[in-house]
Amino acid sequence: DGGITQSPKYLFRKEGQNVTLSCEQNLNHDAMYWYRQDPGQGLRLIYYSQIVNDFQKGDIAEGYSVSREKKESFPLTVTSAQKNPTAFYLCASRRTGLTEAFFGQGTRLTVV
Amino acid sequence: QQQVKQSPQSLIVQKGGISIINCAYENTAFDYFPWYQQFPGKGPALLIAIRPDVSEKKEGRFTISFNKSAKQFSLHIMDSQPGDSATYFCAASVGSGAGSYQLTFGKGTKLSVIP
Repeated sequence: DGGITQSPKYLFRKEGQNVTLSCEQNLNHDAMYWYRQDPGQGLRLIYYSQIVNDFQKGDIAEGYSVSREKKESFPLTVTSAQKNPTAFYLCASRRTGLTEAFFGQGTRLTVV
Repeated sequence: QQQVKQSPQSLIVQKGGISIINCAYENTAFDYFPWYQQFPGKGPALLIAIRPDVSEKKEGRFTISFNKSAKQFSLHIMDSQPGDSATYFCAASVGSGAGSYQLTFGKGTKLSVIP
């Protein structure tokens, strides 16, 4: 089955620790995205990547980092510099142009 | 700066009624307008999308109305059912050139359809 896989579904970390969220897609999509979702805030763009080895900051990139070494993978690292990391994180991918973005099932990160 | 404004934040509709969610955008370069449906604990899924060369698109009980001059678009859910209870997001994207890969989302509308 083609799709986007995010892992893990739930993640708990202690304050001050970096944590990496996984996102893998087998849709052969060029573009991949990371969004953060908080209640009442909608989906806010953290980073996006149009092509391997290239990525761009979104609206709320501070405290996050990404890499795009392979077309199918776009991991997100939440660093200790992110002041309020507890949230629901969504990864998405999209073919070029005016096309549907497919989302993963999300990772709920809780920092205690 | 919020480029896509969505209203209302929450909506309660009786079963069989019409649900209407509105969005307004600022960037006239936007040329793709999708609506996403999200159930609790799940990722959003595309419901229906429209491009600005048409004023209306209908798929089953779901209709998008688009007003280019007013820079507004809306989602109508006819004969609303309890299974439609979810959060709905409008979004907008530029088709080509700088920023063509970005999807900008509204803040979402939580729809509750009561029996």
